[in-house]
Amino acid sequence: ELKVEQNPLFLSMQEGKNYTIYCNYSTTSDRLYWYRQDPGKSLESLFVLLSNGAVKQEGRLMASLDTKARLSTLHITAAVHDLSATYFCSDFGNEKLTFGTGTRLTIIP
Amino acid sequence: GAGVSQSPRYKVAKRGQDVALRCDPISGHVSLFWYQQALGQGPEFLTYFQNEAQLDKSGLPSDRFFAERPEGSVSTLKIQRTQQEDSAVYLCASSFSGNTIYFGEGSWLTVV
Repeated sequence: ELKVEQNPLFLSMQEGKNYTIYCNYSTTSDRLYWYRQDPGKSLESLFVLLSNGAVKQEGRLMASLDTKARLSTLHITAAVHDLSATYFCSDFGNEKLTFGTGTRLTIIP
Repeated sequence: GAGVSQSPRYKVAKRGQDVALRCDPISGHVSLFWYQQALGQGPEFLTYFQNEAQLDKSGLPSDRFFAERPEGSVSTLKIQRTQQEDSAVYLCASSFSGNTIYFGEGSWLTVV
């Protein structure tokens, strides 16, 4: 069974702090996606990681992929309130996205 | 349009009614996906089209669920004899090359 696990499920952070969300997946896919979802909204694409060792950065978010460990990370630097949302990782195996449970991130002033 | 468009955005159906949810993918996108997202959960795969061919329907929860994409562009997800457990957000996504996959705003279905 294809499985994607995120850790932690819930995260409260103070503004200005750094933290990392972890994503373990079970397929042999070398393609990993990160999405953001605000309450009542759809999924916004953040990153597509296409190969082992891939690292992408956008603003305060940086994502990386280790296909050998089947691990991806989403690192948040100097968090700000606008980053409060649910973050999903998803691997692309068997021509479809399999989503993790999501990490609900709350940034506290 | 610029993005994936879904309609209706909100639908309230009485138990036992049939519903049809429409998805207009981004123009030129070959791949089209349907997902179901229950409250507080991650999206769950329903079905996948490449052009007009339905290549994977393994996620459809029962034979009450049916999807089509007859001309390789617009897709319709049909749910027959709706049940309360069908209440969810139905998300459509499309992509050209399988790299970035874009999601629509979703159709929120409530079965009463």
